[in-house]
This record gives sequence, structure tokens and C-alpha cells, in this order.
Amino acid sequence: GAVVSQHPSWVICKSGTSVKIECRSLDFQATTMFWYRQFPKQSLMLMATSNEGSKATYEQGVEKDKFLINHASLTLSTLTVTSAHPEDSSFYICSARDWVLGQPQHFGDGTRLSIL
Amino acid sequence: QKEVEQDPGPLSVPEGAIVSLNCTYSNSAFQYFMWYRQYSRKGPELLMYTYSSGNKEDGRFTAQVDKSSKYISLFIRDSQPSDSATYLCAMIYSGGYQKVTFGIGTKLQVIP
Repeated sequence: GAVVSQHPSWVICKSGTSVKIECRSLDFQATTMFWYRQFPKQSLMLMATSNEGSKATYEQGVEKDKFLINHASLTLSTLTVTSAHPEDSSFYICSARDWVLGQPQHFGDGTRLSIL
Repeated sequence: QKEVEQDPGPLSVPEGAIVSLNCTYSNSAFQYFMWYRQYSRKGPELLMYTYSSGNKEDGRFTAQVDKSSKYISLFIRDSQPSDSATYLCAMIYSGGYQKVTFGIGTKLQVIP
């Protein structure tokens, strides 16, 4: 149980384009999902907390207009990197918690984003 | 000072060895402690989680928490080459908010 699926796993695109990343909880409902960013040889940094049916809560220093988050259903949250630039290249990972089972967060397999 | 300190390694051990991975933390408000395993280019996989001080065992893995010393450990017995990965400790404050604070991760290599 508690499977989190993330898509796509890898995307390469030109500077200035927008990229959408999907995060799905496959076998449980997630009222809250989390978006992280990880640079090489660094730990995961929380970007924002995504709440179903309401606005996301962004961490300090994260641009809301750059990283748009939508959590329209109990099993799907999306992160859109708008007008992406090379400095946005990173590994983006989502997670969700199964409140029914009471377990800690389970993570997706991440999306490697490369902006040329 | 970081809230969670973890030696990034790398740590190389021969197959079959007992591995000890550790983290220290500074904030006594942390109540839930987890260990994740992360293979290259993959998301973290939850290995162990525990609440409060003591030991928790699951197969070859034992998680240990010492709140008085603000120190947590993960022991891996009979280590295998497939255990080669980065191991992240993680912690949550008490209460409903689920923000997780991660260590930087220790890279482990088990040599056949």
C-alpha cells in the first residue's frame, strides 16, 4: 500500500517553456501532498505543501508564481514550473501521507528536469 | 547549526558487515523519526519509522532513538550489495503539521 506515482520521470525542454509534473496517490486518498526539490549531493528541500481544494502553502524563498501547485482531487497534485530557466534544473519529488494507515510520507520516484 | 546533522560519507563496507548510520539533531521538539533509502535517480523509500526513544527492528534493519542524547541510528545486519544507496534520516515535530526535516544523507557502498 501507500504507493505514490510521479510523472514524467525525466523531461528536457527549452528555456522559457512551462513544465507540468503530476503526483498521484494510487491506493489511498491524500488530502495533503508535498513537493520537494533536491540538488546533487544535497538533501531534500521542501518547496510547498499542497492541500486538496485550497491554496498551497509555500516555504520561504519559493516563488509562488514560478512554481504553480494545483491539488484538485484527493489523489492528484500537479506542480507547474512556469517559464523555466536553466537554474530551475533539478530533481523534483512529491510525497503524500496515508492518514488512515498513520504512516509517514511516501515518496514518488521523482522527476529529473533539465532546462536547456 | 543545522537542525539535523548527518555524515554524508561515503561509507564503504564489505558484504556481510554490520553497518551503523547515525544522525544527531538539535531540536528536542522532534518526536517522530524515520529512515529512508534512496537509490540514484529515485525517490526516497521509507525503511523504518519510530516514535520516542528505544529500538525497533524489521528484518536486517534496526532503528534506535536516544532522545536524551538527540541521537538516532540505523543498523543494517548482514549487509548486501543491494543495500548500496543513500540513507536519509528524517524527523517530524510533534503535532499535526507534517513538515519533514531531512538529514543530508549518507552514501553507503557495500562491496561484494
